[in-house]
Amino acid sequence: DAGITQSPRHKVTETGTPVTLRCHQTENHRYMYWYRQDPGHGLRLIHYSYGVKDTDKGEVSDGYSVSRSKTEDFLLTLESATSSQTSVYFCAISESRTGAGELFFGEGSRLTVL
Amino acid sequence: RKEVEQDPGPFNVPEGATVAFNCTYSNSASQSFFWYRQDCRKEPKLLMSVYSSGNEDGRFTAQLNRASQYISLLIRDSKLSDSATYLCVVNPPGNTGKLIFGQGTTLQVKP
Repeated sequence: DAGITQSPRHKVTETGTPVTLRCHQTENHRYMYWYRQDPGHGLRLIHYSYGVKDTDKGEVSDGYSVSRSKTEDFLLTLESATSSQTSVYFCAISESRTGAGELFFGEGSRLTVL
Repeated sequence: RKEVEQDPGPFNVPEGATVAFNCTYSNSASQSFFWYRQDCRKEPKLLMSVYSSGNEDGRFTAQLNRASQYISLLIRDSKLSDSATYLCVVNPPGNTGKLIFGQGTTLQVKP
């Protein structure tokens, strides 16, 4: 299995509090992604990174920010969590820009915002 | 219309059955296609890529129909262990890295 670790794996927080999810990889892959998965919507891309300090927005980026200061770490921050951000968050990595390459996912972080 | 559409199911089939899923996509210029498998409360994992000529991996066959803009996954001789959600994934034009996932089709194989 690819070396991807997400933390925390489970978190319950209150509306309005900041939350940071961490994704750590040991594969030295260039591309990293944050997705959220909700019933009826499948996986939706929040942000992605194609290198250190190079990030771009995905389909559902509002309310989220990211940072990548090292190849191995990609942080997802919810500045002020809302109940609509209750979801399962998956980090993924790939060697290529996904045209031909494979996405490897972390085990997911389950976030509940009360 | 969603960019990638799948019948969510569930598809309930007996062991040994053959089952097929379709997935339609809206952008005719989409470049590459994949099937991922996701077990309950687990992360998705690549099952197979879908090539224009079709491809087979053991009991699994994937096909692409560009004219009708759909891809299919056929599973022969279903096993209990095939029970999972199958995600259709499309790489849109421009190779932006922004893969589009369908919501998945759930398969339950019964003894």
